[in-house]
Amino acid sequence: NAGVTQTPKFQVLKTGQSMTLQCAQDMNHNSMYWYRQDPGMGLRLIYYSASEGTTDKGEVPNGYNVSRLNKREFSLRLESAAPSQTSVYFCASSDRDRERQPQHFGDGTRLSIL
Amino acid sequence: GEDVEQSLFLSVREGDSSVINCTYTDSSSTYLYWYKQEPGAGLQLLTYIFSNMDMKQDQRLTVLLNKKDKHLSLCIADTQTGDSAIYFCAERAGTASKLTFGTGTRLQVTL
Repeated sequence: NAGVTQTPKFQVLKTGQSMTLQCAQDMNHNSMYWYRQDPGMGLRLIYYSASEGTTDKGEVPNGYNVSRLNKREFSLRLESAAPSQTSVYFCASSDRDRERQPQHFGDGTRLSIL
Repeated sequence: GEDVEQSLFLSVREGDSSVINCTYTDSSSTYLYWYKQEPGAGLQLLTYIFSNMDMKQDQRLTVLLNKKDKHLSLCIADTQTGDSAIYFCAERAGTASKLTFGTGTRLQVTL
């Protein structure tokens, strides 16, 4: 039972390079999310997709784009990476139709921008 | 807007009880969650409570909710070294699917 799978697990980029973080879930969930985690700041929502075909900005969307490719996959793209985007990125999913809607998380992508 | 706050660090001795606190501002919160994050891993859902409940118990975990003061607590009985981790509280407002997370509390369990 894979749950939420993120690739890659680690990545080092140079300033100005582009990169796409991949996320896939096998739980048939409607909603998917991208967060970044920085020390002392908890998790901050970058973008989310409440259902296939829709995406919305979260708290910190600048410098990022997303694509909800299909119900399973939700990718996060950095077009021109900056050192301020060094962080741990988490993808999550939830079932919109279940009242409790707990979010299930992947193991994260650790991204360093030099 | 929503805001969720937690203290950053808590140290307890093995076998003692741990109490991790969280305050939130959104009065329309419907569900409140506790997640655990071990080093190098993602967040694992521990438990949750619906906003019309005062308390929920699940084995060694007890969640207390004071809705009037918008205060949430996670109590861990007989704390073990394996409980060392970062604990996040999160709230869901109304029918929104997205959650607002606190900054996380690092629990250190000493022998």
